[in-house]
Amino acid sequence: DTGVSQDPRHKITKRGQNVTFRCDPISEHNRLYWYRQTLGQGPEFLTYFQNEAQLEKSRLLSDRFSAERPKGSFSTLEIQRTEQGDSAMYLCALGIGLYNEQFFGPGTRLTVL
Amino acid sequence: GQQLNQSPQSMFIQEGEDVSMNCTSSSIFNTWLWYKQDPGEGPVLLIALYKAGELTSNGRLTAQFGITRKDSFLNISASIPSDVGIYFCSGNQFYFGTGTSLTVIP
Repeated sequence: DTGVSQDPRHKITKRGQNVTFRCDPISEHNRLYWYRQTLGQGPEFLTYFQNEAQLEKSRLLSDRFSAERPKGSFSTLEIQRTEQGDSAMYLCALGIGLYNEQFFGPGTRLTVL
Repeated sequence: GQQLNQSPQSMFIQEGEDVSMNCTSSSIFNTWLWYKQDPGEGPVLLIALYKAGELTSNGRLTAQFGITRKDSFLNISASIPSDVGIYFCSGNQFYFGTGTSLTVIP
């Protein structure tokens, strides 16, 4: 148990719809990360929160993507006007320890039809 | 972003055999981590390496941080069926390789 839950685990949507994913750390952690993983690839960094502040965003995070962590606990990732290329696993991770090792949640599998 | 090349891309081995996989980069990293991912799940941290030349073991797993800081390898000894999965290297926590898929034949 990594101490991170993600909801939903699977989401199927039609192109053009908006989707929102949620990441819930079981206990308080300062650093929270979002990654995207497509088939046959490793996770790709999307964005990073230190408490409620979003400190870094990848170029992968187009203007259709927005992430929030309003109270420094759970986080949401929203994709607007989904495209088929958004189909992927979206992973949330906590950065733990002096070296910020990434501990991943189970992910949300998004399929855009 | 940083490019991490993993090899081999996939491996099919008999139960009981040893496995070796590696990860190389054109960039220097300060930490190397190895993860295992099962289908439909997030990656799980196996081993973390923090110093060039460091050799670390975790049960049947052994990993080394290359002296040039541009590579790392992971060995699994006496493989068992539950070793099946995709193994990812990660440099500086946020950069991931493309994975090595391991199949263990009983």
